[in-house]
Amino acid sequence: GIQVEQSPPDLILQEGANSTLRCNFSDSVNNLQWFHQNPWGQLINLFYIPSGTKQNGRLSATTVATERYSLLYISSSQTTDSGVYFCALNRDDKIIFGKGTRLHILP
Amino acid sequence: NAGVTQTPKFRILKIGQSMTLQCAQDMNHNYMYWYRQDPGMGLKLIYYSVGAGITDKGEVPNGYNVSRSTTEDFPLRLELAAPSQTSVYFCASTGRGYTGELFFGEGSRLTVL
Repeated sequence: GIQVEQSPPDLILQEGANSTLRCNFSDSVNNLQWFHQNPWGQLINLFYIPSGTKQNGRLSATTVATERYSLLYISSSQTTDSGVYFCALNRDDKIIFGKGTRLHILP
Repeated sequence: NAGVTQTPKFRILKIGQSMTLQCAQDMNHNYMYWYRQDPGMGLKLIYYSVGAGITDKGEVPNGYNVSRSTTEDFPLRLELAAPSQTSVYFCASTGRGYTGELFFGEGSRLTVL
């Protein structure tokens, strides 16, 4: 089956710093989403981004489907950005998640 | 608009007991999914469905069963609970299969003792 790798697994940053999270995948996919799981366990849609670039406030994402990777950028980090970030890929009706990047933003 | 609703939110089971986790969506989505998330880990796909009457196995189906008699409901059944099934279970749905955003319920925390 398709393999999904996220890096880095853990990231600790000071408030105000910028970060880049990466999602690599092993095969072509129908679409890709980024999620944020907050400390209370809630899964929040960030971007639905099968290709191209999207921006939403301090967050932006880029997917290069031909090279099988996606990047999530977080600028001017805030403590509320803490949590786990997952990418999820849809192939042949299955939606498979990466293991996530755990982000800690220190005040 | 309720979205994806899961019940119960919390449950404690004894080894060998059975139970059903309920999932309902009111968005007329064809595609529904069940995931489990162990502490500190990612989400693993248990079962999924592409429409009423159609279900298929995901990455970790052993010990679980599902049914999809209606578009709205996708219950997950645990027949003989084991401690290894202690986890948080998430149900999700999407409307357009290959192109749709995935929406999640709030999760069901299950402990098997």
